[in-house]
Amino acid sequence: QVQLQQWGAGLLKPSETLSLTCGVYGGSFSGYYWSWIRQPPGKGLEWIAEINDRGSTNYNPSLKSRVIISVDTSKNQFSLKVTSVTAADTAVYYCARGPLSYGYNLFDYWGQGALVTVSS
Amino acid sequence: DIQMTQSPSTLSASVGDRVTITCRASQSISTWLAWYQQKPGKAPKLLIYKASNLESGVPSRFSGSGSGTEFTLTISRLQPDDFAIYYCQQYSDYPTFGPGTVVDI
Repeated sequence: QVQLQQWGAGLLKPSETLSLTCGVYGGSFSGYYWSWIRQPPGKGLEWIAEINDRGSTNYNPSLKSRVIISVDTSKNQFSLKVTSVTAADTAVYYCARGPLSYGYNLFDYWGQGALVTVSS
Repeated sequence: DIQMTQSPSTLSASVGDRVTITCRASQSISTWLAWYQQKPGKAPKLLIYKASNLESGVPSRFSGSGSGTEFTLTISRLQPDDFAIYYCQQYSDYPTFGPGTVVDI
């Protein structure tokens, strides 16, 4: 059974860098795309970026200038950094698996979610 | 980007009702559409992929249809566990989600 477990800082000040990591347990890491998705409180879902085990990436154009997604295949982990955060980046952040072997995916396994709050 | 809309935004229903949610894409996405169910404080759960394919373990009362720009999610007989928010998502281009439909009592 595939499980995604995520962790990272939950409270940031404006202009700081958001950093989250997601570990994948109980299944294959290769052959899939791994994504970050966020959901502001009480609002809808926004896809941020995806990466595969070979480091191929795709980004949401609206966030691309501030986002870095990376992968560590030795640990079956992938990570997200968002620079220069503002209150608008306050959201629950989810990691998720894309089952298709090519980019631009749907999401069949999700992490538990992590609330990141940006406040001065 | 491809914009997704859903209707209605809120749907009041009763146990046993047949419920239909519509999702529209701003341009043709063929059948590259997924449906998710989300409950409070939980991650979304995949229900349907490629417009009409039921994800493993999802009850057969859920079904999806459509292609191009218009899609529907139908719950044939609403159960107490089905009261939730439902989202559509296209993956023809970089993924975008609909705004959600709240199914409540």
